Amino acid sequence: GQNIDQPTEMTATEGAIVQINCTYQTSGFNGLFWYQQHAGEAPTFLSYNVLDGLEEKGRFSSFLSRSKGYSYLLLKELQMKDSASYLCAVMDSNYQLIWGAGTKLIIKP
Amino acid sequence: NAGVTQTPKFRVLKTGQSMTLLCAQDMNHEYMYWYRQDPGMGLRLIHYSVGEGTTAKGEVPDGYNVSRLKKQNFLLGLESAAPSQTSVYFCASQPKEQETQYFGPGTRLLVL
Repeated sequence: GQNIDQPTEMTATEGAIVQINCTYQTSGFNGLFWYQQHAGEAPTFLSYNVLDGLEEKGRFSSFLSRSKGYSYLLLKELQMKDSASYLCAVMDSNYQLIWGAGTKLIIKP
Repeated sequence: NAGVTQTPKFRVLKTGQSMTLLCAQDMNHEYMYWYRQDPGMGLRLIHYSVGEGTTAKGEVPDGYNVSRLKKQNFLLGLESAAPSQTSVYFCASQPKEQETQYFGPGTRLLVL
């Protein structure tokens, strides 16, 4: 079966750095997406990785290792507005997105 | 551009009632999707469409029907609502295969 695993909840301090991990087992791989979802709102796109390595976009970076079935999202200089759920999703061989349950990130002052 | 819009935002139904959720996008995207999101679970695909006039089943299609008569609209129907269909429903659109999906604001449905 297809499976995406990510921690249920993480807590971090304002100004710090946090890494959210995602491991996956899917039938085929056509890229990995990270989305941010604030409570009561829609998911919004953060990053896309299809090749191994690190993609940096401002305070956010995303890493992919296809051989290990592993990705992480790195958030630097945390701000209170970063309190949200972070969703990992893998595009399988049918170009369908398989979604993890999301990681709720709590930022403390 | 309004992006992806959904109506209604919130609805309460009694078991056995029917309703239609409307999704509209003004980005000329080919692909459209209906998901449901339940606590502790990832988004689950109900139905999707790869172009006007086409629809296909996703992971959890039972109890739902869809139509895509116009490229910009994707309708999700519940013929006879059940309490298990209480959920938040998200519509998404995507320009082409292997591209980013853009989500609507969601519809919160409560079935009593």
